Amino acid sequence: GQNIDQPTEMTATEGAIVQINCTYQTSGFNGLFWYQQHAGEAPTFLSYNVLDGLEEKGRFSSFLSRSKGYSYLLLKELQMKDSASYLCAVNNQGGKLIFGQGTELSVKP
Amino acid sequence: GAVVSQHPSWVICKSGTSVKIECRSLDFQATTMFWYRQFPKQSLMLMATSNEGSKATYEQGVEKDKFLINHASLTLSTLTVTSAHPEDSSFYICSASSGATDTQYFGPGTRLTVL
Repeated sequence: GQNIDQPTEMTATEGAIVQINCTYQTSGFNGLFWYQQHAGEAPTFLSYNVLDGLEEKGRFSSFLSRSKGYSYLLLKELQMKDSASYLCAVNNQGGKLIFGQGTELSVKP
Repeated sequence: GAVVSQHPSWVICKSGTSVKIECRSLDFQATTMFWYRQFPKQSLMLMATSNEGSKATYEQGVEKDKFLINHASLTLSTLTVTSAHPEDSSFYICSASSGATDTQYFGPGTRLTVL
């Protein structure tokens, strides 16, 4: 079966660093995506990993270990506007994405 | 770049009527478009995948006769919810992709409420 797990919710303080983990078990793998989704809005693309290692993009970094079926999204210098749901998604085959349940991040002052 | 639009952004309709939702890629040609549904506090559920000029591929449990998908060009796909019922009320989101990474770019979503 297809399974993507991530924590349901997390809380962090403004200015801090937070790591959101994602583990996956899928029948195929052609890359892992992280999206940010604010309430009532569509997801926006954050990052893409297909090879092992760390991809850094400004305050956001994403890591992938294919052998462990594991990824994390690292958010630095947290801002209040970073409060949102963060979705981990695996490109299974043929471009289809399988989404995790999403992690609701609350950033507090 | 990679902008996807959806229209309408919200719609309220009576039970039994049909609703059409448009999805357009504005600045790129989308080889594939996807339609998702999202219920409150839940993640996105893929409904169907469509490639330009061919029939859509529906996910298990999604009624193809109820959710009609047309992908007439590389920049436009439409989803028609036929004979809508209150249980079809949801947030419908399309995405479009092109290129080697198959990165999907999402439209802003359409909130459908069926009375």
